[in-house]
Amino acid sequence: SQELEQSPQSLIVQEGKNLTINCTSSKTLYGLYWYKQKYGEGLIFLMMLQKGGEEKSHEKITAKLDEKKQQSSLHITASQPSHAGIYLCGAFHSGGYQKVTFGIGTKLQVIP
Amino acid sequence: DSGVTQTPKHLITATGQRVTLRCSPRSGDLSVYWYQQSLDQGLQFLIQYYNGEERAKGNILERFSAQQFPDLHSELNLSSLELGDSALYFCASSVGHTSSGNTIYFGEGSWLTVV
Repeated sequence: SQELEQSPQSLIVQEGKNLTINCTSSKTLYGLYWYKQKYGEGLIFLMMLQKGGEEKSHEKITAKLDEKKQQSSLHITASQPSHAGIYLCGAFHSGGYQKVTFGIGTKLQVIP
Repeated sequence: DSGVTQTPKHLITATGQRVTLRCSPRSGDLSVYWYQQSLDQGLQFLIQYYNGEERAKGNILERFSAQQFPDLHSELNLSSLELGDSALYFCASSVGHTSSGNTIYFGEGSWLTVV
């Protein structure tokens, strides 16, 4: 089973609607990354969260880290076609030089 | 453009062959990471180097090896290739280690097709 579970696995929303993607870890989270990927292309960095309760925003995307629940959520407000892609969360579970493991991704389609 | 350069972008090779994927990290970044992405397995961590030394290892096959050179570029060597090795291979880099809050920047990837 995956160390990081993302839900939903895919999502289709109407343009202008809000949406939330969740990332849940089976291990204690030390830090978590969110990336966006277009199919077959590189990963674009969105945000990194390290402290419990930390919340960061970039344009219409907000991410929050809930350490107790070992979970992070990514929220998009007023979605646009440009938000379409695959959203990946990546986590590390201790300090130092630790591997960052990724979830399988959430595929987002935004219908105009 | 992330600043991480990977070559080649596409590669088609036969089973049993050996290939080398090359990565130049962002200027100033000392850490290099290698990942393999396939449809069924998702993004899998292979190995990480920091300033020439191996720092973390994932489920990297024995047929695969990597190294980071004094000029900080890195190479991933894949040998005795099998059909299942067909995947998108990513290199990524960061200034230091992840727990310092460093952003990891990904390259565009190298598409490997084994036929």
